[in-house]
Amino acid sequence: DIQMTQSPSSLSATVGDRVTITCRSSQNIIKYLNWYQQKPGKAPQLLIYAASSLQSGVPSRFSGSGSGTDFTLNIISLQPDDFASYYCQQSYTTPYTFGQGTKLEIK
Amino acid sequence: EVQLVESGGGLVQPGGSLRLSCADSGLTFSSHWMHWVRQASGKGLVWVSRINSDGSTTTYADSVKGRFTISRDNAKNTLFLQMNSLRAEDTAVYYCARGSYDFSYVMDVWGQGTTVTVSS
Repeated sequence: DIQMTQSPSSLSATVGDRVTITCRSSQNIIKYLNWYQQKPGKAPQLLIYAASSLQSGVPSRFSGSGSGTDFTLNIISLQPDDFASYYCQQSYTTPYTFGQGTKLEIK
Repeated sequence: EVQLVESGGGLVQPGGSLRLSCADSGLTFSSHWMHWVRQASGKGLVWVSRINSDGSTTTYADSVKGRFTISRDNAKNTLFLQMNSLRAEDTAVYYCARGSYDFSYVMDVWGQGTTVTVSS
C-alpha cells in the first residue's frame, strides 16, 4: 500500500496567517492527490483534487501544489471557518490511502 | 443539491452482521462510482471499498475483503455495504462518498455518516 505522511500533525495559527501543510507519498503518485477538510462531528469535504485543482465552491485562499511524492496545501489569510482537520489522500491506486491528518487550531 | 444519507448503523456483537445503506437524493446516482470510507473515533480516514457505476466492478481494502460486500441499486438510487463477521476493529463512523463525474476516485460529495459499534 502507498503510505501518506502529513506534517505537521497539528498546527496553531492566528486569523489572517498563511499556513502550509505538507504531504509525502511513499511512491510516485504523479498528481493523484486530493485534500479534504473535516470539522468535528462532520463529514470530510473536498478542497483540492489532482494536486492543484480547486473544487467548485471552495474559497480561493486554498491552493495545492506538488507532483510525484511531495505535495503542499496552502491557506492564505486564515479565516475562523478554516480551523479544522485536513487530510491528504492518494487516488493513484487502491487501496486509496489518507494521511494521518493535520489539526489546525487557533493560537 | 445532491445529498447522501446513510443509515443502518448500530450496536452489533462480534461475529455479527449489519447492512448499511446510502440513499442519494440526486438525479445522477447511476452515473457515479461510489465509495465507503470509515473513521474510528479520534482517528483518521480509511478507505473501505468502491463500486463502479453499474455495479459490475468492486474493490475492497484488505482489512474487509471477504467479509464486506458493496452493492448498489440504481433504480432506487441506493448504495449498500453488507458487513459480516464483524470485529471490534470495525467500530467506526462509516461514510458513503460519491466519485466525481470526471474522476471516479475523487470523492466530491459525502454523507453525514452512520456509526457502527461492534461490542459484546
